[in-house]
Amino acid sequence: SYVLTQPPSVSLAPGKTAKITCGGNNIGRKSVHWYQQKPGRAPVLVIFYDSDRPSGIPERFSGSNSGNTATLTISRVEAGDEADYYCQVCDGGSDHVVFGGGTKLTVL
Amino acid sequence: QVQLQESGPGLVKPSETLSLTCSVSGDSLGTFHWTWIRQPPGKGLEWLGYIDYTGNTNHKSSLKSRVTMSIDTSKKEFSLKMNSVTAADTAMYYCARLAGGVGSGTLDIWGRGTMVTVSS
Repeated sequence: SYVLTQPPSVSLAPGKTAKITCGGNNIGRKSVHWYQQKPGRAPVLVIFYDSDRPSGIPERFSGSNSGNTATLTISRVEAGDEADYYCQVCDGGSDHVVFGGGTKLTVL
Repeated sequence: QVQLQESGPGLVKPSETLSLTCSVSGDSLGTFHWTWIRQPPGKGLEWLGYIDYTGNTNHKSSLKSRVTMSIDTSKKEFSLKMNSVTAADTAMYYCARLAGGVGSGTLDIWGRGTMVTVSS
């Protein structure tokens, strides 16, 4: 089965740029989606199809995907961005939905 | 505006069957895949499976023998049954809409989730 690898945690000061990676074999050939989950809340889609933003998501959130790594970039990080972030793909062979293990973003 | 709402017992005894329903409001069930995801306390998201409006399903392989999914398009709801539950099945259970097809789709709408605890 397809495996997605994320760093467990990322910490940085407000105003900096956060880059959260999602590694997978030839992930650049797949469509990657990103979700933000705050404590006690359901996940919310923040990036879909590698780099598209749903309405209501700030432009500070962007995504890229190439080779074996997809990246969620959050510019000018704010305290309100503290959350767990998950990447997700569909495994083309089985059509199963696959999540990365999640990355906890801490704003210092 | 499409909304999803999970419902079901919050407490299930070991070895019994967990039953959850997700009600869909604001749109029909056609052309999407309706998905179940769970999250054990303090852990990550785990996809359980999905069902489309015709009743075709796809489940996580390790759970396939324990999981049954069904859909009622007239009631605009879909359901999850998981038998022989253990404490390891204790989790927040979410329903979500998979849009864009099963080859590359995204979970664009989620329910708020319902907590299920397995305990005697």
